[in-house]
Amino acid sequence: AQTVTQSQPEMSVQEAETVTLSCTYDTSESDYYLFWYKQPPSRQMILVIRQEAYKQQNATENRFSVNFQKAAKSFSLKISDSQLGDAAMYFCAYKILGNEKLTFGTGTRLTIIP
Amino acid sequence: ETGVTQTPRHLVMGMTNKKSLKCEQHLGHNAMYWYKQSAKKPLELMFVYNFKEQTENNSVPSRFSPECPNSSHLFLHLHTLQPEDSALYLCASSQVTLTDTQYFGPGTRLTVL
Repeated sequence: AQTVTQSQPEMSVQEAETVTLSCTYDTSESDYYLFWYKQPPSRQMILVIRQEAYKQQNATENRFSVNFQKAAKSFSLKISDSQLGDAAMYFCAYKILGNEKLTFGTGTRLTIIP
Repeated sequence: ETGVTQTPRHLVMGMTNKKSLKCEQHLGHNAMYWYKQSAKKPLELMFVYNFKEQTENNSVPSRFSPECPNSSHLFLHLHTLQPEDSALYLCASSQVTLTDTQYFGPGTRLTVL
C-alpha cells in the first residue's frame, strides 16, 4: 500500500526567511504524481505545486519549489521569502498515474513569525 | 460562483436526523470526490464518481449515501450518524486525464451530537 509521511507536525519560520517542509512516500510504482496542498484557517485545500515523477526537473511556482529525489522517495517543499499569508497546514499527497485516489500525509502546520 | 462550492459550511445534527451535504463544481470537470478529514488523521477518500458513475467506495458505512445526478453536482446523504462521524467533509473535482489534479471545496464542518 502507498503511504505518505510528513515527519514534522509543526514548523515555524521568521517572515521573509526560507523554510523547508519534508515529505517521504512509499510506492512500488514508477509513474505517479506528487502534490503539495495548503489548507489555511478558511479550510479550503489549495493546490500549491505538482510534480510528475517522470520529470527530473524540480517544479517551481513563484516562491514555492520542490526538491524531488525519486530514488530516495523524498519530496520536500521550499518556501522562500515567507509571508504571513503562508501560515497554514501543508499536506503532501501522492497519486498513481491513471488512478483517481489521492493519498495524503498527516500534514505540517506552518507558523509565520512576524 | 467559481471553483468548487459546498453547502452548508457548518452542520450540527442529532444521531436520529437525516441531512444532506451538497457540492457543486463550476470547472467543467467530470470526476467528483468526497473526503473525510478528522483531527490528526490523513484525509480519507470516501467516494469517487467518474462521469456520474461511482467508481470507488472506500469501505464507507451505509449511513453515508452519495448521489451524483450530473457531473457538476454531488451530494452526501447522512442518516443515523454517530458522534465519531463528526469531521470536516471535503468535496473535490478533477478532469479525468493523466494529470488529474483535484481541486477542493471549502468543506462542511459536521458535528454529530
